[in-house]
Amino acid sequence: AQTVTQSQPEMSVQEAETVTLSCTYDTSESNYYLFWYKQPPSRQMILVIRQEAYKQQNATENRFSVNFQKAAKSFSLKISDSQLGDTAMYFCAFMKGSQGNLIFGKGTKLSVKP
Amino acid sequence: DAGVIQSPRHEVTEMGQEVTLRCKPISGHDYLFWYRQTMMRGLELLIYFNNNVPIDDSGMPEDRFSAKMPNASFSTLKIQPSEPRDSAVYFCASSLSTPYEQYFGPGTRLTVT
Repeated sequence: AQTVTQSQPEMSVQEAETVTLSCTYDTSESNYYLFWYKQPPSRQMILVIRQEAYKQQNATENRFSVNFQKAAKSFSLKISDSQLGDTAMYFCAFMKGSQGNLIFGKGTKLSVKP
Repeated sequence: DAGVIQSPRHEVTEMGQEVTLRCKPISGHDYLFWYRQTMMRGLELLIYFNNNVPIDDSGMPEDRFSAKMPNASFSTLKIQPSEPRDSAVYFCASSLSTPYEQYFGPGTRLTVT
């Protein structure tokens, strides 16, 4: 069975600084996808970034980028130039192949301080 | 687009009562998912549909839970009878064609007393 582990329950960062959230996963699959979702206090789940396992290039979306280390089964999220609006829970998630089952980690609560 | 719509946003009910949660996916999306979020178990998939057909219901906790998708624009999740341990936030999500980009609704916070 696949598992997703986020080892940092809480983190904080100063506005405009850079922060990295960690995620590791365990799978024997070769075809899979990895995601970071953001859940602000409004509780709306918002897709931040997606990575296909077959792609070596790390995904980037504006201030958000990932460091995908396939051999180490690591998928960290880097947030550059942190903004107050980045304050939220961040969930790492795994999906096998083209199946629909998203497996989520327990989340990291990020606080951006002014 | 209006996004995924869920109703009600909040539901408070007494143990033993029937509860029905509703979801309208994004128009044109052919995958629909129901998730539950609790402090203890985090976010977990309950069931998902493709073209209105249930594909995987292995996450449905027990027979008290049932889900239907009578057409492409509507789905329900029913709990009968409800129990206090069912208290959680229930999310509906939808995606287009392939199941790897899911768009979530705002969730329904269910409290069973």
